[in-house]
Amino acid sequence: DIQMTQSPSTLSASVGDRVTITCRASQTISTWLAWYQQKPGKAPNLLIYRSSSLKTGVPSRFSGSGSGTEFTLTISSLQPDDFATYYCQQYKSCWTFGQGTKVEVK
Amino acid sequence: QVQLQESGPGLVKPSGTLSLTCAVSGGSTSSNYWWSWVRQPPGKGLEWIGEIYVSGSTNYNSSLESRVTISIDKSKNQFSLRLTSVTAADTAVYYCARGPDVWGKGTTVIVSS
Repeated sequence: DIQMTQSPSTLSASVGDRVTITCRASQTISTWLAWYQQKPGKAPNLLIYRSSSLKTGVPSRFSGSGSGTEFTLTISSLQPDDFATYYCQQYKSCWTFGQGTKVEVK
Repeated sequence: QVQLQESGPGLVKPSGTLSLTCAVSGGSTSSNYWWSWVRQPPGKGLEWIGEIYVSGSTNYNSSLESRVTISIDKSKNQFSLRLTSVTAADTAVYYCARGPDVWGKGTTVIVSS
């Protein structure tokens, strides 16, 4: 099974900050990686697929990069609506999620 | 626009069987996608349960494989999850999904006597 290690688990930030979340796969997954945003009581919402492709309608302040085993999600300028929990997911071989990163108000 | 809707009992007794259905609208379970189940225990992260393809091929999370069955009913345009021998640890919000991009809203299942 492919394991996903996401860091940090919690991130304290202010509106306007640049935020970076990292995800590492236990084996190479090429670019079969997605990033989700989840708010309390809601289903996960896909932000990025194939490591760096922005889903239609997702603000351009979100970006993803990486291939192989190392991946990052960057929010260029954090907005009030962005305080949420973020998950990475590999879908090269079945699915595995990272543990999640809660972005909270500093 | 494809939409997914989970349904099933919200309360299941310990040692019983959890059964959920995901109804697909705006799309077809006969199309070439993998249809998945994911769960999220209260206050915890996401756990993939398994998936089924239109052909009926399945893949399951190795930690749940002995207790899980996912099936598909193309005539009813739905797919289903069956989890046996449940315990309190199976209490969670259960989501169905099509690929990474389309998710249901989720349904809460509590395992309790």
